[in-house]
Parts: sequence; C-alpha cells; structure tokens
Amino acid sequence: DSGVTQTPKHLITATGQRVTLRCSPRSGDLSVYWYQQSLDQGLQFLIHYYNGEERAKGNILERFSAQQFPDLHSELNLSSLELGDSALYFCASSARPQGSGEKLFFGSGTQLSVL
Amino acid sequence: SQKIEQNSEALNIQEGKTATLTCNYTNYSPAYLQWYRQDPGRGPVFLLLIRENEKEKRKERLKVTFDTTLKQSLFHITASQPADSATYLCALCNQAGTALIFGKGTTLSVSS
Repeated sequence: DSGVTQTPKHLITATGQRVTLRCSPRSGDLSVYWYQQSLDQGLQFLIHYYNGEERAKGNILERFSAQQFPDLHSELNLSSLELGDSALYFCASSARPQGSGEKLFFGSGTQLSVL
Repeated sequence: SQKIEQNSEALNIQEGKTATLTCNYTNYSPAYLQWYRQDPGRGPVFLLLIRENEKEKRKERLKVTFDTTLKQSLFHITASQPADSATYLCALCNQAGTALIFGKGTTLSVSS
C-alpha cells in the first residue's frame, strides 16, 4: 500500500459529461502529481501541485483542470468528455517537488470509461 | 523537447537468466534517472534512483547503470523469476525540475 488514496476506482460516463477524480496524498507529502495512462501514449504527465500551488503543467487539455486544497488532497476535473479521454488516471505524491530526486508514490488509479 | 525511449516494448526470457532493459534519452542531461515497476491495473512502484555522478547502483538482484555520454541507462534483473514479470518504466526529471517524465515502458515476461 503506497499510502496514496484515489477515488473512485472505476468511473463510467457518457460523452459530454463532467467528472471529478479525487486523490489523498501520503501523510506529510506536499506534492501531488496527476498522470494519464493509455495503451498507446504510456504514462503522460498532466499537472503538479505543491502545497496548494500549481507548479508545472504537462500535456493537460484545456477541458481538464485540477486543484489542491488546504488539507492537501487534490481533485482533477474533466469536462466535455470525449471517447479519447478513456484512460487510467493516476495520482502520485512526494514529500517535496522534483529536482532533488524525489521518488513518487502512486495511487491505484481511477479507470475512466467514456461511452 | 526531451524524449525518453525504452527500446523494447516486450522482452521474454527464461527463469534464471538476466534481463536487461534499455532506456535512452535525448535533448537533455538529467541529474538523475529513476526506474519503476508497474503491474497490470496498478500504479507504478519506485525501484531505484541513480544520479549522474553514479555509474552503477545495486539493490538485491537489481542493477542500474547510467552512461551520461551515451545518454543511456541499463536496468538488469539477475536470476530472474516469474514474479519479476511486469512492465518496467524509466523516468527522468524534466528540464525545469518540476515533474517526472516517463518512458512507455518495457513489459518483461519470465517463463519457468
């Protein structure tokens, strides 16, 4: 058990809808990262928050947004969903931001299916 | 932009042999490189980190090398076991030092 909790584990929704994925980092970790994993693209970095502030953006679509709350949990909001958004979404946490070799602890992911 | 390539999508070996996985990168000189293991339907799990001033790192049956001239890391599993079957991902910190970028991974299958 990595200590990172993601809910829900599975999510099935229709095109055009909006969903929210939730992540609770390991106790004491201030950094939260979101990744999207699909078979053809591999693990793609979406966004990084550190202690409530956005630190880095990767390949995140404008239809997607995220935030980190004062209690350090994070939410990833996906709107106007398309079939191609179907993927496994992972949250990871670390004590500090990258740059000094911080290893990431991953949650078990949310499997999103857009029908 | 930086690019990470794990040159084999799949590797099949027999139990007891040494598995060697390759990670190449371009357009960047990272200060360190990490390796993760991912089992189907689960999140990646950290295995090893090697820094640019380290040529080799070992942990039990695992060995990682880092050649900054070749821009390549090799990941070895000695005396492989069926339980080692998984996807192995290499990862580098991006140039801004703000995120870990992953390769697509190599799926290792160890047969008994």
